[in-house]
Amino acid sequence: NAGVMQNPRHLVRRRGQEARLRCSPMKGHSHVYWYRQLPEEGLKFMVYLQKENIIDESGMPKERFSAEFPKEGPSILRIQQVVRGDSAAYFCASSPDREQNTEAFFGQGTRLTVV
Amino acid sequence: QKEVEQDPGPLSVPEGAIVSLNCTYSNSAFQYFMWYRQYSRKGPELLMYTYSSGNKEDGRFTAQVDKSSKYISLFIRDSQPSDSATYLCAMSALAGGFKTIFGAGTRLFVKA
Repeated sequence: NAGVMQNPRHLVRRRGQEARLRCSPMKGHSHVYWYRQLPEEGLKFMVYLQKENIIDESGMPKERFSAEFPKEGPSILRIQQVVRGDSAAYFCASSPDREQNTEAFFGQGTRLTVV
Repeated sequence: QKEVEQDPGPLSVPEGAIVSLNCTYSNSAFQYFMWYRQYSRKGPELLMYTYSSGNKEDGRFTAQVDKSSKYISLFIRDSQPSDSATYLCAMSALAGGFKTIFGAGTRLFVKA
C-alpha cells in the first residue's frame, strides 16, 4: 500500500519558468491538500481539492498559482513565472473522507529551488 | 498573534530523558489536535491524533489536550537518539487535513 507519492522530489527552475508539482494520493483517498513550508517555518495550507473540484483555495497566492485534481491522474500544483520567493518545500497530503474524522497523510515533498 | 505558537527550540536532552513539547493556540474552534514528526528533508509523519480534550497514549508517546487553557503537549518517555527530529503540532476545526494550522515546529536533539 503505497503512501502519498510526490514527484519530482527536487525541482530547479530559473526565474520566469513554470513549475509543475505532482501528487498521487494514497489508494482510496479522495481528498488532497497542498501545503508550503519555508525554512524554519511550519506548513502553510494552500489548497484543498477533491476529484475535479477545488473545495478551498484560500491559502493560494492570488496570482501565478493554480491547482487541479483531475478525474484521472495525480493532483497538480502549477506555479507560473516562478520567482525566488517561491523556493520552498511543497507537501501534499491526502485523506479518505473528511466526515469520518480521519487524519491526513503526507508525502515526502517537492523541494523547489528557483535560481 | 499567530493562531498556533510553538517554541522552535532547539531542545537538547540526554538519552533516556522525558521530553515535553508544547503548543498554545488562540482559536477556540479547534477540535482536532495532531503531533507530527519530521526528519530532515522528509515529509511530516503523523504521531498522535486527538479529538477534543484529554490524554492519549501510544507506546512512549503521550498527547495531552487542555482546551480550557488552549494548550497541548506531547511527552516522550525514555527518549532515544532516533527521536531526534522536528516535532510539529497541528490543529484543525475540521477533520482531515482541511485548513490544518501547524506550529513552526520544535527541533529536538537526543544525545546518546
